[in-house]
Amino acid sequence: EPEVTQTPSHQVTQMGQEVILRCVPISNHLYFYWYRQILGQKVEFLVSFYNNEISEKSEIFDDQFSVERPDGSNFTLKIRSTKLEDSAMYFCASSAGYNYGYTFGSGTRLTVV
Amino acid sequence: KNEVEQSPQNLTAQEGEFITINCSYSVGISALHWLQQHPGGGIVSLFMLSSGKKKHGRLIATINIQEKHSSLHITASHPRDSAVYICAVRVNAGNMLTFGGGTRLMVKP
Repeated sequence: EPEVTQTPSHQVTQMGQEVILRCVPISNHLYFYWYRQILGQKVEFLVSFYNNEISEKSEIFDDQFSVERPDGSNFTLKIRSTKLEDSAMYFCASSAGYNYGYTFGSGTRLTVV
Repeated sequence: KNEVEQSPQNLTAQEGEFITINCSYSVGISALHWLQQHPGGGIVSLFMLSSGKKKHGRLIATINIQEKHSSLHITASHPRDSAVYICAVRVNAGNMLTFGGGTRLMVKP
């Protein structure tokens, strides 16, 4: 069964450092997403990406965040200057279309110290 | 603002029991998803539905659009069903999912 692959599975970074979280969505999917889950809280939407541009973003997705699909297979989330409150599990997901289900990756646990 | 509420928050059952998890939401939606999250954190999609009922193995999901309510049922529960079950909705004209807080299910042998 096709999978969404996320790397790394766990990243520890110093406050103020830049991090890039990587995702390889399912190859024929068209919609890509990033969600995050702070420990003990609900999963929250960050951003959706379609046709090489952001289609929707939440209030969390401020100027410190950016997404890119650099080579047609990878989908990355960059946090420019990490804060302690960015510590969370970050999930990538992809979907074949608006009326299709999601496939989630296994997540990247980001710890900012 | 769309709110997604699940009940119960925690549920302990004996193996073999029939389990029901409920989800209510406050605005019009185009689809509702039921997801499963295991202790390692990974999320698996169980169902996406916009009307009626879907069944997969021992899992059944129903939705009542008029009442803004969905249920996930597990028949003949098993310890391997122990996980957090999450309801998430996609509002009309949007593409993002809004998540409920999850129901933590433990099935004892």
